[in-house]
Amino acid sequence: AQTVTQSQPEMSVQEAETVTLSCTYDTSESNYYLFWYKQPPSRQMILVIRQEAYKQQNATENRFSVNFQKAAKSFSLKISDSQLGDTAMYFCAFMKHTTSNGYALNFGKGTSLLVTP
Amino acid sequence: DAGVIQSPRHEVTEMGQEVTLRCKPISGHDYLFWYRQTMMRGLELLIYFNNNVPIDDSGMPEDRFSAKMPNASFSTLKIQPSEPRDSAVYFCASSSSARNTQYFGPGTRLTVL
Repeated sequence: AQTVTQSQPEMSVQEAETVTLSCTYDTSESNYYLFWYKQPPSRQMILVIRQEAYKQQNATENRFSVNFQKAAKSFSLKISDSQLGDTAMYFCAFMKHTTSNGYALNFGKGTSLLVTP
Repeated sequence: DAGVIQSPRHEVTEMGQEVTLRCKPISGHDYLFWYRQTMMRGLELLIYFNNNVPIDDSGMPEDRFSAKMPNASFSTLKIQPSEPRDSAVYFCASSSSARNTQYFGPGTRLTVL
């Protein structure tokens, strides 16, 4: 079974600053996908960024980028120029890659991020 | 484009009552997932479907829970009888086999008194 660990239950950052959220995972699979989802107080689960394990290049989406270290099984999320609207719970998630392309997400416990003025 | 639609958004019921949660996946998606979120257990998979067929229901807690997907645009999750420990937020998500990314609905907050 795959496990996903987010070691930082809570973090705080000032507006316009940069913050990095940590995630590690344990798997024996060689092909898989990693995701970061954001859950604001509205509780909607919003996809932030997606990484395919076979790709060396780190994924980026505007102010969001990842540092994917496959050998270390690490997948951290960097948020640049933090905005008040980034305040949310952030979940790291793992998904196996299968020939049928359908599999459940394994989620970490989440990191609560507070962006302060 | 419409995202995943869930109804109701909130449900309050009494122990022993039947509860039915509904989900409409994104059009064209062939996978549908039901997750439950609680403070104690976090986000956990209950069941998922591929082309309307249940593939993995190992996360369904017990026989009181059942899920159906009668067609590609509709799924239900039923709890009968409900118990206070079923109180949680229930999410539906869908994905396409071409993209491997799950998109979530807004969730249903269930409270069983």
